[in-house]
Amino acid sequence: DAGVTQSPTHLIKTRGQHVTLRCSPISGHKSVSWYQQVLGQGPQFIFQYYEKEERGRGNFPDRFSARQFPNYSSELNVNALLLGDSALYLCASSLRSDYSGANVLTFGAGSRLTVL
Amino acid sequence: AQKVTQAQTEISVVEKEDVTLDCVYETRDTTYYLFWYKQPPSGELVFLIRRNSFDEQNEISGRYSWNFQKSTSSFNFTITASQVVDSAVYFCALSLNTGTASKLTFGTGTRLQVTL
Repeated sequence: DAGVTQSPTHLIKTRGQHVTLRCSPISGHKSVSWYQQVLGQGPQFIFQYYEKEERGRGNFPDRFSARQFPNYSSELNVNALLLGDSALYLCASSLRSDYSGANVLTFGAGSRLTVL
Repeated sequence: AQKVTQAQTEISVVEKEDVTLDCVYETRDTTYYLFWYKQPPSGELVFLIRRNSFDEQNEISGRYSWNFQKSTSSFNFTITASQVVDSAVYFCALSLNTGTASKLTFGTGTRLQVTL
């Protein structure tokens, strides 16, 4: 069975540009989360979507947005890129949205964004 | 606010040595979950274990063992007889009952290097 797939795997952008990152969850998983991992740091929560609705948002500026499609895949969009947006962007999926904290997330390999 | 601290930035051991990775967490909640994830060079985070705050029973799984102590807010991870394939970055994470979203708060990770 395919795991969480993300595209593109690597990309280079310049400051001020816009980027769209894509994620396909494990088949049957309805919840998708996005995390940003800056080099040398732990992942930081950006968004969680469940059944196409935003369930949570981390401490990120409005330049970051996301959406989930009827097939449960998801896009993360970042506008007006800054040098500090350079990071590994990880997508994770889970069967449902368990806000009790018990959810086990399955992560993809990430999209590595470099902003020049 | 919740926080996870992994004070060990990098550990180097020789194969077959035992190694313990430390994790200290902070939260005012009484119900929470703790996780360990492994991140190999390929980038994806691999789930290792989940523990809830009411279950302080230590666990052993093959060469892996976990020591959860609420009194010291610690959730340490030990690899017995380490192998080169254990080389990776290990993250400890905390998840709370948010009532809405499912999100993980990660530590900064410990890079484990196992050499021959």
